[in-house]
Amino acid sequence: SYDLTQPLSVSVALGQTAKISCGGKNIGGENVHWYQQKPGQAPVLVIYRDAYRPSGIPERFSGSNSGNMATLTISSAQAGDEADYYCQVWHSSSAVFGGGTRLTVL
Amino acid sequence: EVQLVESGGGFVQPGGSLRLSCAVSGFIFSDYSMSWVRQAPGKGLEWIAYIITSSGTIYYADSVKGRFIISRDNSGDSLYLQMNGLRGDDTAVYYCARMENLHDPLDYWGPGTLVTVSP
Repeated sequence: SYDLTQPLSVSVALGQTAKISCGGKNIGGENVHWYQQKPGQAPVLVIYRDAYRPSGIPERFSGSNSGNMATLTISSAQAGDEADYYCQVWHSSSAVFGGGTRLTVL
Repeated sequence: EVQLVESGGGFVQPGGSLRLSCAVSGFIFSDYSMSWVRQAPGKGLEWIAYIITSSGTIYYADSVKGRFIISRDNSGDSLYLQMNGLRGDDTAVYYCARMENLHDPLDYWGPGTLVTVSP
């Protein structure tokens, strides 16, 4: 099986930049997708194929992927960005999710 | 507007069965692959099943293989999940999600339906 490792929590001051990591063996060779999930709601796709933003997602959200680490970056963090974030790849015909990271905006 | 709406969740005893449905609208259902993803209370996301447009290719997570069956009705714009041999660790919110092809992102999700397996 393929494992994706995310920090349990990340904190960021209002207006600052948050970085959420997603570690996996040679993840740089995979397409990484990122989802935002607010309490009681379904996940929302915020980044796909490492660095592309779906329509309607603010430019403040960006992604990168290289080596053994993918990163979701949220610039100028806002209170509304508080949520759980999950990375995801497809590996051997299975979707694999990271354990999720709780983002707190202080 | 793309919409996916799950139904069929509820309480069931261990060993029981349940059939979930996902009704879609706002896009051509037969053009898209679909997945089921679940989330146990307070836990992370777990993918459980995938079905290609024609139903010709299906994949399952090991945790549900042999117990759950994914299917679709393209003429009725619906996705299904037949769940048999339910266990306590199947308790979760179940989401249906759309994707273009295998390896693509899950770009639209339904609001989910809660399944509770308890004596």
